[in-house]
Amino acid sequence: SQQGEEDPQALSIQEGENATMNCSYKTSINNLQWYRQNSGRGLVHLILIRSNEREKHSGRLRVTLDTSKKSSSLLITASRAADTASYFCATDEFYSSASKIIFGSGTRLSIRP
Amino acid sequence: KAGVTQTPRYLIKTRGQQVTLSCSPISGHRSVSWYQQTPGQGLQFLFEYFSETQRNKGNFPGRFSGRQFSNSRSEMNVSTLELGDSALYLCASSLLQGGNTEAFFGQGTRLTVV
Repeated sequence: SQQGEEDPQALSIQEGENATMNCSYKTSINNLQWYRQNSGRGLVHLILIRSNEREKHSGRLRVTLDTSKKSSSLLITASRAADTASYFCATDEFYSSASKIIFGSGTRLSIRP
Repeated sequence: KAGVTQTPRYLIKTRGQQVTLSCSPISGHRSVSWYQQTPGQGLQFLFEYFSETQRNKGNFPGRFSGRQFSNSRSEMNVSTLELGDSALYLCASSLLQGGNTEAFFGQGTRLTVV
């Protein structure tokens, strides 16, 4: 089963524009992470936001977390061709002594030159 | 610091065979998790090992197994391979157990079953 679901499934924007991806999840979490994957290769960790945080920044990335709505968003500002990739949100199960990270279905982002 | 290393990178096997994949985590990391990625099912959790013990397991048949050694290196084994086992297998290492810290992924092993 998948904990997080990303929206949209695919997104195509012009280089220089901002890209926003959303993630919704089902159960309470300790934290939420965003990852990037290029062309079926390994996942690259982007950012981790804890359940008591509402917003976090890292370079051109901005992540928000709304635990009341069980949702998160990833904003990439001033997009570049190199940002073309699939983006996944991942959550952990809460109150679990043996928690695991569950991934969403991902958003495929394409940046047009 | 070296990243997560998975070997081999590519593998072709025949139905009915078995396969062993290897993962060397980042030095100092004690948790290793395995994931299967397919176009249809996305990223599915297989299992997590911490200090040589399996701490959690996903919904996969018993043909999928794994282990972790005292140096934190991990192997996963798939027996009696089926065509549907063709996938990218990803290993992730983290400092602590579970999802409390960032997980760092290897490049994966692409398994093709013919």
